Amino acid sequence: QVQLQQWGAGLLKPSETLSLTCTVHDGSFSGHHYWTWIRKSPGRGLEWVGEIHDGGRSLYNPSLKSRVSMSADTSQSHFSLTLTSVTAADTAVYYCARISYGDYFYGMDVWGPGTSVTVSS
Amino acid sequence: QSVLTQPPSVSGAPGQRVTISCVGSRSNIGAGYEVHWYQQFQDEAPKRLIYGSSNRPSGVPDRFSASKSGTSASLDIAGLQAEDGAVYYCQSFDSSLSAWLFGGGTRLTVL
Repeated sequence: QVQLQQWGAGLLKPSETLSLTCTVHDGSFSGHHYWTWIRKSPGRGLEWVGEIHDGGRSLYNPSLKSRVSMSADTSQSHFSLTLTSVTAADTAVYYCARISYGDYFYGMDVWGPGTSVTVSS
Repeated sequence: QSVLTQPPSVSGAPGQRVTISCVGSRSNIGAGYEVHWYQQFQDEAPKRLIYGSSNRPSGVPDRFSASKSGTSASLDIAGLQAEDGAVYYCQSFDSSLSAWLFGGGTRLTVL
């Protein structure tokens, strides 16, 4: 059964860069999947951050596009998120997840446990 | 403000049926993009509840059902149980934004 393990710094100062990595265990990294990041800020709902395909294609939330980038390493079965110039508004629990697709997209079927990131001076 | 609109909260007594709506627009649900539903308990990762607008993954009780029509979708929960108390999110893709959208979430309280 596929499991996602994620890690990264949990406490940042304003203007620093957020870096998170998610490793795919016991599953195929390549194939009919996109790999995505979602965040949940305190008191708010879920927000999609961006996604990347193992072929390197990526798509980002327009509201974060100028600050976000993602990469994938198929040899290591992991993908990463980088968010620059963070502010308190970026404080959230960040989840990595898998999007599966076939004839259509099947939604985010596997989720990581979440990493709490706090931005504070 | 989410482009997919959900009621902030719904409630029902054990055994009752509740419906959670998700209102979109012609650039997302109305454009034919599938709707997915997620259940999230406090301090846990979300769990996919429904995919492809009406399909239940294995392990999800058949008390949960969903449908889509026009620019809206809905999640029905029949025979409410205490453990159904959670926040439920709808999700779809928006072609105008080229982005995945989540609804604002609906907190279900089982009375």
